[in-house]
Amino acid sequence: SQKIEQNSEALNIQEGKTATLTCNYTNYSPAYLQWYRQDPGRGPVFLLLIRENEKEKRKERLKVTFDTTLKQSLFHITASQPADSATYLCALDMYSGGGADGLTFGKGTHLIIQP
Amino acid sequence: NAGVTQTPKFQVLKTGQSMTLQCAQDMNHEYMSWYRQDPGMGLRLIHYSVGAGITDQGEVPNGYNVSRSTTEDFPLRLLSAAPSQTSVYFCASSQTGGATEAFFGQGTRLTVV
Repeated sequence: SQKIEQNSEALNIQEGKTATLTCNYTNYSPAYLQWYRQDPGRGPVFLLLIRENEKEKRKERLKVTFDTTLKQSLFHITASQPADSATYLCALDMYSGGGADGLTFGKGTHLIIQP
Repeated sequence: NAGVTQTPKFQVLKTGQSMTLQCAQDMNHEYMSWYRQDPGMGLRLIHYSVGAGITDQGEVPNGYNVSRSTTEDFPLRLLSAAPSQTSVYFCASSQTGGATEAFFGQGTRLTVV
């Protein structure tokens, strides 16, 4: 079955530094990979989507890479701020071509940006 | 623009009771899904629908029932609540499943005693 691993349950980063979160997956080759942010007591909020034929995608201070050979995605937040503290979830679709069979989520990484 | 609306936000049930969690979206999305989120387990897919009249099971469907009579609504029914169903439930919608971003509701925190 599909397995997604996110690098650690918690990650502490000093304000201003770059936070790098890792998402590894096995047993499948997704066509799309997504990243979400979740704050306590709230639903996940979409951040970025990257396709299998894209190496990198950026949005403001966020950058996502997708290495289908390594079966890994990296999520970077540059110039991190305390407001970036949240849980970040990696998700991928279950079938190639963006099939509508649901997203599989990793357990998330709790990111803490310390002032 | 309301997005995805879930009701209720909180619910306490006794073991054996049944109830329906409501989910509605106003974005005309074809794809809707239900997840449960438990500590240490992450989000797990319960049921999903690719359009009105079409539903299918996800990873953890047992004990839950769904129907999709309209594009807007996707209710989740607990047939006979069990303590193991204590969880936070999220409804989500998207245009085309994994190829597009999903919009989540604010969640329903359910406790079964």
